[in-house]
Amino acid sequence: ETGVTQTPRHLVMGMTNKKSLKCEQHLGHNAMYWYKQSAKKPLELMFVYNFKEQTENNSVPSRFSPECPNSSHLFLHLHTLQPEDSALYLCASSRWTGGNYGYTFGSGTRLTVV
Amino acid sequence: AQKVTQAQTEISVVEKEDVTLDCVYETRDTTYYLFWYKQPPSGELVFLIRRNSFDEQNEISGRYSWNFQKSTSSFNFTITASQVVDSAVYFCALSGVQTGANNLFFGTGTRLTVIP
Repeated sequence: ETGVTQTPRHLVMGMTNKKSLKCEQHLGHNAMYWYKQSAKKPLELMFVYNFKEQTENNSVPSRFSPECPNSSHLFLHLHTLQPEDSALYLCASSRWTGGNYGYTFGSGTRLTVV
Repeated sequence: AQKVTQAQTEISVVEKEDVTLDCVYETRDTTYYLFWYKQPPSGELVFLIRRNSFDEQNEISGRYSWNFQKSTSSFNFTITASQVVDSAVYFCALSGVQTGANNLFFGTGTRLTVIP
């Protein structure tokens, strides 16, 4: 069982579609994160969940809607996206919230908005 | 504010050469952690090292070594006798204890290509 699993690996969606990204970890971690990785830009933290509760939203547009039903699963619901939202979306987890412990990352979902 | 600068966007070396990846950071925190991650073509970021601000000892792990210098706010990463499998994007990251504790602040990464 690998650490953090993300599905799908690749996603192409139209601007009017609704889709969801899924992240799953069975490491016993209590914190989960969504990051956006765009070309030539630093990874951008989007959302932080700690024990299923959202603790941080980095001014992310409402067309991105996270959901964390339990400490092992994290979703990112997408609707009416823009072409500039095309990026690699990475999920990560850590035992406790806080970057001090370092994160375990998934392989990401490569999203293309057409 | 927290900031990480990786000035080298891309580096190419021939196999067996040594290569150093630079990382310069900014933080007002007195206690902080520095990290290096490797991102191979498969996409996931692989943890390489975590170093706290009170430990300036250099570290060596096989062909990898890290040089942490608080005086210059740098945390450089050297690969000795590079191999093709080292080809990846390498990210330096910073987390402050006092501020931005929920976040790892990443640099823009350095793409390393090792030519056989």
